[in-house]
Amino acid sequence: GDSVTQMEGPVTLSEEAFLTINCTYTATGYPSLFWYVQYPGEGLQLLLKATKADDKGSNKGFEATYRKETTSFHLEKGSVQVSDSAVYFCALTGGGADGLTFGKGTHLIIQP
Amino acid sequence: GAVVSQHPSRVICKSGTSVKIECRSLDFQATTMFWYRQFPKQSLMLMATSNEGSKATYEQGVEKDKFLINHASLTLSTLTVTSAHPEDSSFYICSASIGGPYEQYFGPGTRLTVT
Repeated sequence: GDSVTQMEGPVTLSEEAFLTINCTYTATGYPSLFWYVQYPGEGLQLLLKATKADDKGSNKGFEATYRKETTSFHLEKGSVQVSDSAVYFCALTGGGADGLTFGKGTHLIIQP
Repeated sequence: GAVVSQHPSRVICKSGTSVKIECRSLDFQATTMFWYRQFPKQSLMLMATSNEGSKATYEQGVEKDKFLINHASLTLSTLTVTSAHPEDSSFYICSASIGGPYEQYFGPGTRLTVT
């Protein structure tokens, strides 16, 4: 079956540092890829998505590129802020009416 | 827009009783709703997919007689945990699809504790 593997945290960085959270996947066909973020006490929110190979999703300074050749969708941000502290989930789905397959989540802690 | 609510946010029940969790899409009609379960420090696991007016589709290993899902309208789906046991204690999260491809909106989750 489909699966998503992401680096486990917690990941602790200083403010303004460069962020990379690795995500790789296995799936049949051509999945769509997502990053969700969960702030403390809140529900999951879609951060960005990419629906086909070489697409780049971006939002709030975060970016991720759908790399079919390496089956990866790494999340990056050039300069993190304290407010970026949250749990980040990489996920995939095979189709519009399908549920999501999630990675285990990466807890990101940004220190001032 | 695209807000999903869950009720209750926390519930404690005794072993052997049943608990109902509601998931509502507040400002849109959801053709499909999903139920997930999240264990501590682990990923969300899809339990079932429900479409309005039809039976839910359960993932492998999820007992459909234990986790009853009803999707009676385009804005409401319910998950009933029947004859709950301590091992059912978990964080249950629903999401709703607005009808467009691949977009799901998540509720804040319900923490169930079975004593």
